Amino acid sequence: ILNVEQSPQSLHVQEGDSTNFTCSFPSSNFYALHWYRWETAKSPEALFVMTLNGDEKKKGRISATLNTKEGYSYLYIKGSQPEDSATYLCAFIRNTGFQKLVFGTGTRLLVSP
Amino acid sequence: ETGVTQSPTHLIKTRGQQVTLRCSSQSGHNTVSWYQQALGQGPQFIFQYYREEENGRGNFPPRFSGLQFPNYSSELNVNALELDDSALYLCASSLRTSGGYEQFFGPGTRLTVL
Repeated sequence: ILNVEQSPQSLHVQEGDSTNFTCSFPSSNFYALHWYRWETAKSPEALFVMTLNGDEKKKGRISATLNTKEGYSYLYIKGSQPEDSATYLCAFIRNTGFQKLVFGTGTRLLVSP
Repeated sequence: ETGVTQSPTHLIKTRGQQVTLRCSSQSGHNTVSWYQQALGQGPQFIFQYYREEENGRGNFPPRFSGLQFPNYSSELNVNALELDDSALYLCASSLRTSGGYEQFFGPGTRLTVL
């Protein structure tokens, strides 16, 4: 993989459903993997900054895992709520000495009441 | 709120014109990056400034230029605008020494080129 790929592109779930998204990234020269939550007309909000293989991070109902050797990260949302509706972006930073984020195209989540 | 602000919110220009977009970084952050998000794509890295010097550049032509000021505010300038420059422009501030390089984004400036 040369770029950052996210799947699915979009997802429509019912309130209370649990869901997960995938981010695939190049496994060489890894420095960090970021997850952002982006609501329309607002700033992208950092959810997690992950740097170590095997990292697992949690914030409320949202959690993420990281596998740097195979180049993927999963984001999980447990018991989705309508306010979770947003675009979820992952971004990869290579170990090049400066802070360039390489973004995927995002997963757009819609949670219906 | 990230504490990063951008102005203007929206802007309409015509092809061939020049535009300046502004960003005010979070207090104490010494690094600012600019990204372009075209429709249907993820944000693309334009360039990064650290202590008023360009520190890295993405695949954008020289007509995209920037400045970072001592108070850590910054500008993105685009000359000779083209229709394909229509996009959302995001700035992100960060502290160079922070582990993992956490970045704080502004809400963006929507540029439309007619």
